[in-house]
Amino acid sequence: KAGVTQTPRYLIKTRGQQVTLSCSPISGHRSVSWYQQTPGQGLQFLFEYFSETQRNKGNFPGRFSGRQFSNSRSEMNVSTLELGDSALYLCASSHPLAGGPNEQFFGPGTRLTVL
Amino acid sequence: GDSVTQMEGPVTLSEEAFLTINCTYTATGYPSLFWYVQYPGEGLQLLLKATKADDKGSNKGFEATYRKETTSFHLEKGSVQVSDSAVYFCALSLGNDYKLSFGAGTTVTVRA
Repeated sequence: KAGVTQTPRYLIKTRGQQVTLSCSPISGHRSVSWYQQTPGQGLQFLFEYFSETQRNKGNFPGRFSGRQFSNSRSEMNVSTLELGDSALYLCASSHPLAGGPNEQFFGPGTRLTVL
Repeated sequence: GDSVTQMEGPVTLSEEAFLTINCTYTATGYPSLFWYVQYPGEGLQLLLKATKADDKGSNKGFEATYRKETTSFHLEKGSVQVSDSAVYFCALSLGNDYKLSFGAGTTVTVRA
């Protein structure tokens, strides 16, 4: 079974631009979560989608948004990029019956650099 | 709020040494507890988990026991290998919430 895939793996943008990251969950998984990983703040939860609905949201500004499609693929968007948005963005998918409660399977991440 | 505190690193060990990484948590309910591992250049992989008090999670020689009385979930391995070099994260989630709250991570380096 293929794992969680994220595209692109690396991205370089400049301040003020916007960016869209994509995540394809494991087949059959309907929950997709996004996390931001930085050296200073560690791993922080951005949001979680299930069946195209955002169920949970972390403490990030409105510049960070996401969506989920009917095939469970998800995208996250960051508008008006700031230098502090440079991070590894991780996507995780989950299925209620896969390994018990709340086990999440992570993708390799998208490394975003904002110049 | 819910949070996880884990031992600061980095930790450097010789092969076959004993590893322990401390993890304590604060939660409003009864969380599920996890250890994730991140190898260089990769995403996170679930190492082990425990969903209720006194549960012991184990995998690949690693163990951790859910201690409600001390709100702890310390990770241990009796004999580490060079291949265990990675960053280890303790995490919790509550109920059916898919949100994970992570500790800061502990970098472990094992030398041959």
